[in-house]
Amino acid sequence: EAGVAQSPRYKIIEKRQSVAFWCNPISGHATLYWYQQILGQGPKLLIQFQNNGVVDDSQLPKDRFSAERLKGVDSTLKIQPAKLEDSAVYLCASSSGLVNEQFFGPGTRLTVL
Amino acid sequence: AQKITQTQPGMFVQEKEAVTLDCTYDTSDPSYGLFWYKQPSSGEMIFLIYQGSYDQQNATEGRYSLNFQKARKSANLVISASQLGDSAMYFCAMRESFSSGSARQLTFGSGTQLTVLP
Repeated sequence: EAGVAQSPRYKIIEKRQSVAFWCNPISGHATLYWYQQILGQGPKLLIQFQNNGVVDDSQLPKDRFSAERLKGVDSTLKIQPAKLEDSAVYLCASSSGLVNEQFFGPGTRLTVL
Repeated sequence: AQKITQTQPGMFVQEKEAVTLDCTYDTSDPSYGLFWYKQPSSGEMIFLIYQGSYDQQNATEGRYSLNFQKARKSANLVISASQLGDSAMYFCAMRESFSSGSARQLTFGSGTQLTVLP
């Protein structure tokens, strides 16, 4: 079974630029999550989708971050404009919604200069 | 208050020995799930073990076991017979209102960096 795919793996941008990350969850997984993991910390949930609807985006900085999951499959997370403090690893995870664990992708390491 | 507390930023263990990684949690929800994930330097989070708040027995998965002490709100991970490949960051996480059946968010601790010495 293919795992959660993410791209790109690494991205370096300057502050005030825009960036987008892509995630393809495990086939059949209805629930998709985006996490932000700052160096030295645990992941923090940004947004959770159930199919193509948003379940929880309470910790998403909506003035600069946006996410969509068209057709309820893959998802895109965008930052516009980026700030220095957005430097982090962005992890995508998926789950079937009926089992316990979330399966994580390899993450995208973003560096904002 | 922190929902998940991992008080050991770093731990060292000799190869083939057992090690315990501490995790305490805070919740008023009677229904919750506790998880441990491993994050090697490659960055991917790997699910290790799960314990439900109503489970009567401590969870075990191969060399991993979870020492669940509900009254003390602790869920320590025990790794037996450590291997060099166990060197990684380990995160404890909690999901509340688990019995609702919906996939709810995980709250992670700050992690423990485990180094296995040859």
